[in-house]
Amino acid sequence: DAKTTQPPSMDCAEGRAANLPCNHSTISGNEYVYWYRQIHSQGPQYIIHGLKNNETNEMASLIITEDRKSSTLILPHATLRDTAVYYCIVRAAFSGSARQLTFGSGTQLTVLP
Amino acid sequence: EPEVTQTPSHQVTQMGQEVILRCVPISNHLYFYWYRQILGQKVEFLVSFYNNEISEKSEIFDDQFSVERPDGSNFTLKIRSTKLEDSAMYFCASTSRAAYNEQFFGPGTRLTVL
Repeated sequence: DAKTTQPPSMDCAEGRAANLPCNHSTISGNEYVYWYRQIHSQGPQYIIHGLKNNETNEMASLIITEDRKSSTLILPHATLRDTAVYYCIVRAAFSGSARQLTFGSGTQLTVLP
Repeated sequence: EPEVTQTPSHQVTQMGQEVILRCVPISNHLYFYWYRQILGQKVEFLVSFYNNEISEKSEIFDDQFSVERPDGSNFTLKIRSTKLEDSAMYFCASTSRAAYNEQFFGPGTRLTVL
């Protein structure tokens, strides 16, 4: 699996967009970019994933650069409840395989009132 | 919305005792996982389980650990003889689409070994 690099911490004002970067310069063609978050020792929560196109769901948007070497998770209107550790994980998709997730240290996002 | 549940939320045990951590995955999911997180450290993979057998396991998952799906709903992690270093949060996860790793995690069991 490709290695990812994330800033250890970021702050964001409540109501503003939170943009969390992730570098994955060694990503392979069949590897997806996944984002999870963990709110204070709770179980990690799936947010979004993508291969090369930008993706949006009810929680967030994922912007992947054209060369796929980096991506940005965007929380459009951050709230205090979005304070969490955000993990960027690069993983190949294997049909029928129960492959595990490998978590790094992530980015501690603190949303400030 | 369906969710993964885990019991107990907190387990305290004496070193050398056996513990069983229980999980009820989401009902139509087929792939099951255990992870752990020692306080202040990363979430670490322990084991994955599919079709009633272990698919993959990490170096952490030694002979002291075992997993079982005793019926159609429960998924258990047993630690045969607990050590102090087994103290951690243990998370169960499940997915219906292993290929895409949209794993849904439970709230965790905090295991404290004294």
